[in-house]
Amino acid sequence: EVQLVESGGDLVQPGRSLRLSCAASGFTFDHYAMHWVRQAPGKGLEWVSGITGNSGKIGYADFVMGRFTISRDNAKTSLYLQMNSLRAEDTALYFCAKVAGTGYFDLWGRGTLVTVSS
Amino acid sequence: EIVLTQSPGTLSLSPGERATLSCRASQSVSSSYLAWYQQKAGQAPRLLIYDASSRATGIPDRFSGSGSGTDFTLTISRLEPEDFAVYYCQQYGSSPWTFGQGTKVEIK
Repeated sequence: EVQLVESGGDLVQPGRSLRLSCAASGFTFDHYAMHWVRQAPGKGLEWVSGITGNSGKIGYADFVMGRFTISRDNAKTSLYLQMNSLRAEDTALYFCAKVAGTGYFDLWGRGTLVTVSS
Repeated sequence: EIVLTQSPGTLSLSPGERATLSCRASQSVSSSYLAWYQQKAGQAPRLLIYDASSRATGIPDRFSGSGSGTDFTLTISRLEPEDFAVYYCQQYGSSPWTFGQGTKVEIK
């Protein structure tokens, strides 16, 4: 079955770190770019970061400001997001998404919830 | 950064009616690299339309997309009960990728 499953979300205090994972299955993982998108409670979708299949090109939203690092392990068919110096405004449901064709997101996971609060 | 503005914020319609959703970009979207997604409460977004007008696999033909440059439209020809949801446009022509703020289609 073609699917993405996120994990690693948790309740953490401001300033702490968290590492999210996204396990992919059912497709040739290293052929596709992957992205992270987040959604704050009751809000819209917000792009966070993306990485090409061979990790040769990486991009981040401005609000990341050097705090987050995206990576992937093609041998493990997994995508990661290392989040440091977390802030209350990082509280959101984090989705991983697979890129297809010209760059749209054709497959999404169900998300993992990150809550930043003291 | 390309800012996408969706209108209206909320669309109140009855099943069987036609829905027209607008997405306007602050600058031209490269190669019409614009997608539409549907999201229902508690679910992940689902791809409906890509490259402005191409329907994704398995999407009913009552969904159609059009537009180019800075103005794009998602049309649902006849609303079915399962179509009441929030719809987002997204541009992927230039980094950073950006989404509109969403249009909620609710039952009147």
